[in-house]
Amino acid sequence: GQQVMQIPQYQHVQEGEDFTTYCNSSTTLSNIQWYKQRPGGHPVFLIQLVKSGEVKKQKRLTFQFGEAKKNSSLHITATQTTDVGTYFCAGGSSNTGKLIFGQGTTLQVKP
Amino acid sequence: DTAVSQTPKYLVTQMGNDKSIKCEQNLGHDTMYWYKQDSKKFLKIMFSYNNKELIINETVPNRFSPKSPDKAHLNLHINSLELGDSAVYFCASRNGNTEAFFGQGTRLTVV
Repeated sequence: GQQVMQIPQYQHVQEGEDFTTYCNSSTTLSNIQWYKQRPGGHPVFLIQLVKSGEVKKQKRLTFQFGEAKKNSSLHITATQTTDVGTYFCAGGSSNTGKLIFGQGTTLQVKP
Repeated sequence: DTAVSQTPKYLVTQMGNDKSIKCEQNLGHDTMYWYKQDSKKFLKIMFSYNNKELIINETVPNRFSPKSPDKAHLNLHINSLELGDSAVYFCASRNGNTEAFFGQGTRLTVV
């Protein structure tokens, strides 16, 4: 079945450093979504990428969708303590309606 | 008003008991999901309903039985609870391939 792999599982950075998490799917995706879950909270939608090679930015966050629509990345520039949480990618299938989540990357930021 | 609401937020129960978790969404979405999040933060899809019909049933023990009385509600009943069922259970909803909205989660602890 469809699998979505995400690395790394954990990342500790000093405030001000950059951070990147990578997502790979075993199958071609119709779209990729990214979510953030704060400690003790629930996943909250950040963005959706649909087109091959698409790049979107939200302030210090940059999201990319691979040309083959099988991989994606989230890059945070100059991390802040408010960026702490677990970031998930989620692959969508237009055929089944499934939304399969990667394992998540938990980001810790040291002030 | 909360878009996706789950009850209860916390549930502590003994092994062998039967319990239910309720979920309601007021967003008019057609699709609702149940996810299980383990201690390593992995979000595993369990079930998905579209307009009250079951469309996704992952490899979940048949002790777990979802019920959707209408498209705004998706409840989860668990029979004969086991220690390994301890986790946070999230309900989510969306339309088509758009963003998913999550409930606050139900932290189930089986003792």
